[in-house]
Amino acid sequence: EAGVAQSPRYKIIEKRQSVAFWCNPISGHATLYWYQQILGQGPKLLIQFQNNGVVDDSQLPKDRFSAERLKGVDSTLKIQPAKLEDSAVYLCASSPRPGDTQYFGPGTRLTVL
Amino acid sequence: ELKVEQNPLFLSMQEGKNYTIYCNYSTTSDRLYWYRQDPGKSLESLFVLLSNGAVKQEGRLMASLDTKARLSTLHITAAVHDLSATYFCAVDPHGYALNFGKGTSLLVTP
Repeated sequence: EAGVAQSPRYKIIEKRQSVAFWCNPISGHATLYWYQQILGQGPKLLIQFQNNGVVDDSQLPKDRFSAERLKGVDSTLKIQPAKLEDSAVYLCASSPRPGDTQYFGPGTRLTVL
Repeated sequence: ELKVEQNPLFLSMQEGKNYTIYCNYSTTSDRLYWYRQDPGKSLESLFVLLSNGAVKQEGRLMASLDTKARLSTLHITAAVHDLSATYFCAVDPHGYALNFGKGTSLLVTP
């Protein structure tokens, strides 16, 4: 069974630039999550989707971050404009349904200079 | 605000020794997860604990949950170098998003 796929794996940008990350969850998983993991800390939830609807985006900085899951499968997370403090690993996870074990992708390491 | 606290945050132990990592959380939850993360890698699910008194074991790792004390432990028996990694506990009180602790960085030395 294929795992959660993410791309790119690494991205370096300058502050005020924009960037987008892509995630393809495990087939059949209705729930998709984006987490931000700052160095030395545990992941923090940014947004949760159930199919193509948003369940929780209370911790998403909506002035600069946006995310979508248009067809209930793939998802993209965008940052525009990026700030230095956005440097982190962005992890995508999926689960069959809310409350089930979440399976994480390899992450995208973002460096903002 | 839900708080998840792990201790210790850093642990260096010799091969063959036993040790316990503690995870305390601040709100009622019947679900607790343990994940492992190797440097530069993503998170790998180790255990899911779904009820008070739950105990699960895999190899040299054993996890337990006391929902009344809001405490989970991850016990390491006869540590080996391959167990060197960062271990996270995470609580899911509402059946939705995971709330993670800061992680315990474990280094097992010869």
